[in-house]
Amino acid sequence: AQTVTQSQPEMSVQEAETVTLSCTYDTSESDYYLFWYKQPPSRQMILVIRQEAYKQQNATENRFSVNFQKAAKSFSLKISDSQLGDAAMYFCAYKGQTGANNLFFGTGTRLTVIP
Amino acid sequence: GAGVSQSPSNKVTEKGKDVELRCDPISGHTALYWYRQSLGQGLEFLIYFQGNSAPDKSGLPSDRFSAERTGGSVSTLTIQRTQQEDSAVYLCASSADSSTDTQYFGPGTRLTVL
Repeated sequence: AQTVTQSQPEMSVQEAETVTLSCTYDTSESDYYLFWYKQPPSRQMILVIRQEAYKQQNATENRFSVNFQKAAKSFSLKISDSQLGDAAMYFCAYKGQTGANNLFFGTGTRLTVIP
Repeated sequence: GAGVSQSPSNKVTEKGKDVELRCDPISGHTALYWYRQSLGQGLEFLIYFQGNSAPDKSGLPSDRFSAERTGGSVSTLTIQRTQQEDSAVYLCASSADSSTDTQYFGPGTRLTVL
């Protein structure tokens, strides 16, 4: 089974600064999808960003960008100009192109934003 | 448009009782997923529906858990004879199709078994 590892249970960042959250995964597939979801205290899982493995270009969404290193099986999330509203649990997730249709999640990183 | 909705938002039950959790996916989404999130943990896959195909039940932890999806839309997750270890947040997600599309999540149901 695919495994997703988030090695940072907690991270903190000063408001307006930049923070990077780490994620590694294990797979034997060549085509797959990677996601970062944000879960604030409201429990709603919100999609932050998505990356297709066949694309070499790193995905970006406004202040959020990823560093996708396929050979290293690494998928880190960079948040620039951090805002108080960015405080949440962040989950990295993997979905294969074939086989299982569900997402495989890491255990999450709790991000605190310091005013 | 409306997102994924779930009800109830919170459910407290006594050990041994049966509970039903409901999920309304985004209109037109053919794929529907149930996940469980235990305290401080990531999400654990439970069951997946795609159109009229037989569901993928490979994630259900025991035969006390079952789910159905009526008319290809609303889904109900049923837990029989609840145990304290069933306490968790149950999240539902839907996607336009199962192959590549992003999964959109509902707000979840927090189940507490006393």
